[in-house]
Amino acid sequence: AQSVTQLDSQVPVFEEAPVELRCNYSSSVSVYLFWYVQYPNQGLQLLLKYLSGSTLVKGINGFEAEFNKSQTSFHLRKPSVHISDTAEYFCAVTMNSGGYQKVTFGIGTKLQVIP
Amino acid sequence: GAVVSQHPSWVICKSGTSVKIECRSLDFQATTMFWYRQFPKQSLMLMATSNEGSKATYEQGVEKDKFLINHASLTLSTLTVTSAHPEDSSFYICSARDPGHNEQFFGPGTRLTVL
Repeated sequence: AQSVTQLDSQVPVFEEAPVELRCNYSSSVSVYLFWYVQYPNQGLQLLLKYLSGSTLVKGINGFEAEFNKSQTSFHLRKPSVHISDTAEYFCAVTMNSGGYQKVTFGIGTKLQVIP
Repeated sequence: GAVVSQHPSWVICKSGTSVKIECRSLDFQATTMFWYRQFPKQSLMLMATSNEGSKATYEQGVEKDKFLINHASLTLSTLTVTSAHPEDSSFYICSARDPGHNEQFFGPGTRLTVL
């Protein structure tokens, strides 16, 4: 079984400042990792994903994340946030063990960008 | 990316009535679709996995007789909330797996309010 921990339920940050949203996972097998963004009353939109290869993954809207296997982390970063980045961000993991496995979501981190 | 739609986007119903929510994959065939439930300020909780042409697989604690799932075609899955009660009020999100990709594509969600 896998699990995802998002330590920060809320992250306030000033506009144009950098931000890091933390995500740690646990799994007994290798994994695929995802970050999703959810705007109010909307579904989830994929920001980026790690399947294999380079551990630094670049996504949409200027976000990037780095897969760190030794620390079992997949933190999301953006060097300069905008007001429009205010949303809920979910980290998710699925096992890379052949066939399709269920996705487990973290509880989410609410990013609030302050003007 | 692939597009998944949901209908309706929001619905208000009286207690005791049944509500049907549709999930469609618009530009790909989805052999597997997923239904999630999201309570306010919480993460997505998987309710069931819907497989085309076969019975859905429900997660522990989800009443299969209350949440009826039908996946009659490769592009359509439906969730029917039977005899809805106020505690069923929630945001219901579906997703579809594109067989060519190791990710799910999410619908925009359906806000159900039971009075």
